[in-house]
Parts: sequence; structure tokens; C-alpha cells
Amino acid sequence: AQKITQTQPGMFVQEKEAVTLDCTYDTSDQSYGLFWYKQPSSGEMIFLIYQGSYDEQNATEGRYSLNFQKARKSANLVISASQLGDSAMYFCAMEGGGFKTIFGAGTRLFVKA
Amino acid sequence: SAVISQKPSRDICQRGTSLTIQCQVDSQVTMMFWYRQQPGQSLTLIATANQGSEATYESGFVIDKFPISRPNLTFSTLTVSNMSPEDSSIYLCSVLGTENTEAFFGQGTRLTVV
Repeated sequence: AQKITQTQPGMFVQEKEAVTLDCTYDTSDQSYGLFWYKQPSSGEMIFLIYQGSYDEQNATEGRYSLNFQKARKSANLVISASQLGDSAMYFCAMEGGGFKTIFGAGTRLFVKA
Repeated sequence: SAVISQKPSRDICQRGTSLTIQCQVDSQVTMMFWYRQQPGQSLTLIATANQGSEATYESGFVIDKFPISRPNLTFSTLTVSNMSPEDSSIYLCSVLGTENTEAFFGQGTRLTVV
């Protein structure tokens, strides 16, 4: 069975600093995809970044980067230069067998001015 | 990318009644997914809806409670039947992008059962 684990229920970061949100996963599939989504208080799900299991380079999208360590089965999200608008819930997710996407429990990020 | 229109955006319903949520995609997709997000929780997959066949339900979800229709490749409905306050959640529909590198979500339906 596939599983996503996010062990940080809440994280605080000072504005303009970088923050790392942890995500570990478990799967027996050889081919899979890892995602991060942001959910502000409005409830919408905003796609941030994707990493394929065969991608050798860590994915980057603007201020977001994914620290992919395949052997350790981790896919941490790094947000650089945090902004007040980054305050939200962040979900790590995995797409695997059957194209279903499963989600971790989420981490609530608070950015302090 | 895919644009998903989901409605209603929110509703308050009496217990024992049913609500049908609609999801319209601006392109043809093979699979559509329905999720539930209970208050303060993560997203839990309810079922996968394929056009032309019955939906595939995840453990803990049954067709009698959450019937799904998928009449064509751009549209699906999820019905929450015989509602109780425990059904109060956000319900979201989702599709995968063409390269399966992103999941697109509708705006969600915020359901409150009283």
C-alpha cells in the first residue's frame, strides 16, 4: 500500500527566510510521481511542484524546490524567501498505481512578519 | 492544463436529504476523482469515475451512500445520500493532466449538514 507521511502539523518561519516542509513516502511501485499542493483558507488546491520518480534532477518552480532523496523515500518542499502569502496548508501527495493521488496529513505554515 | 467547474460551491442541507455535486471539465479526461476533506483533515479519495463503467470506490465508501455518474468524458456528479452531520466536509473533484504530472481540482463544495 502507498502512504504519505508529513510529520510537521505546523511550522513557523520568519518572512524572507527559507523553510523546509518534510514529506516521506512509501510505495512498492517503481514509477510514481510526487506533488506538493498549497491550500489557503479559501479551500482551493493550488499545484506547486512535481517530481517524477525517474527524474534525476530535483524539481524547481520559482521559489519552490523539491529535495528528492529516492533512497530515503523523502520529498521535502523548500520554500525560499518566504512571504506572508505563503501562510497556508501544504500537502504532499503521490500518484502511483491506478493514477490515484493520495495525500499526506498536511503541514500548516505560518509566516511571521 | 484543465479547468474544472464545480457546483454548488457551498450548501447547507437538512439531515436525511441528498445533495448532488456537479463537476464539469473543459477537456476530455479518462478518469475523474472525487475526494472528501473533513474539517481540519487531509483529502481522502472517495472513488474514481470512469466513463462508461461503474465508479471504483475506496475502502470505507460505498455506492449507496455516494452514487457517482459519469455520462461523458467531461462531466461527473457525486451524490451524498441520506446525509448526516458527519458528512459535513469539503468535496472536491479532480482530474490528472495529460502527462500525469499535475492533478487539477475543482473549487470544492463546502457542505454543512444540520
